[in-house]
Amino acid sequence: QKEVEQNSGPLSVPEGAIASLNCTYSDRGSQSFFWYRQYSGKSPELIMSIYSNGDKEDGRFTAQLNKASQYVSLLIRDSQPSDSATYLCAVRAGYDYKLSFGAGTTVTVRA
Amino acid sequence: GAVVSQHPSRVICKSGTSVKIECRSLDFQATTMFWYRQFPKQSLMLMATSNEGSKATYEQGVEKDKFLINHASLTLSTLTVTSAHPEDSSFYICSARGQAHSYEQYFGPGTRLTVT
Repeated sequence: QKEVEQNSGPLSVPEGAIASLNCTYSDRGSQSFFWYRQYSGKSPELIMSIYSNGDKEDGRFTAQLNKASQYVSLLIRDSQPSDSATYLCAVRAGYDYKLSFGAGTTVTVRA
Repeated sequence: GAVVSQHPSRVICKSGTSVKIECRSLDFQATTMFWYRQFPKQSLMLMATSNEGSKATYEQGVEKDKFLINHASLTLSTLTVTSAHPEDSSFYICSARGQAHSYEQYFGPGTRLTVT
């Protein structure tokens, strides 16, 4: 079983719609959760971090964490073509600083 | 804040030669730096973790004698790929975290290595 799982996509949404991305993780003791955006040929860029159950909003992005169900999600509201990228879910599972990454979900926002 | 640079951005080398990649934190002190490798259409694979002034910790399956890591200061880590072979061609990305950043990692722009 992979530590961090994401649907690979591609997830295609029309411009202005909400894109919903999901991520599940296997280690129940995980404490820190992150969403990174990676454009093709570029390195990942941190867009959200979440540490407590519930929702965390930052601009058009909302991260949702449910530790009991071991999932974390990312909502992108009012999707723009510039949001077209691969979104990586990352989880800190242990007592060190290492992150485990999912394979990523590719999002395409069509104009 | 939290800017990480990498140099070079792209390098082509001949098989058997060594290549050094630098990773710098520009506006914070990086207590921990990480080196990742990413093959096309795949996710990030952690190669090693390094803390300033101490030996790097390598992930299982990563040859420490082939991928030499030095974290000489709180703003600089280097990765040297020794005796590179075509199968080492990949996108190498470093990340860094500082004490002020909790567990967040900030990535450098990456180095695309092509071994001919």
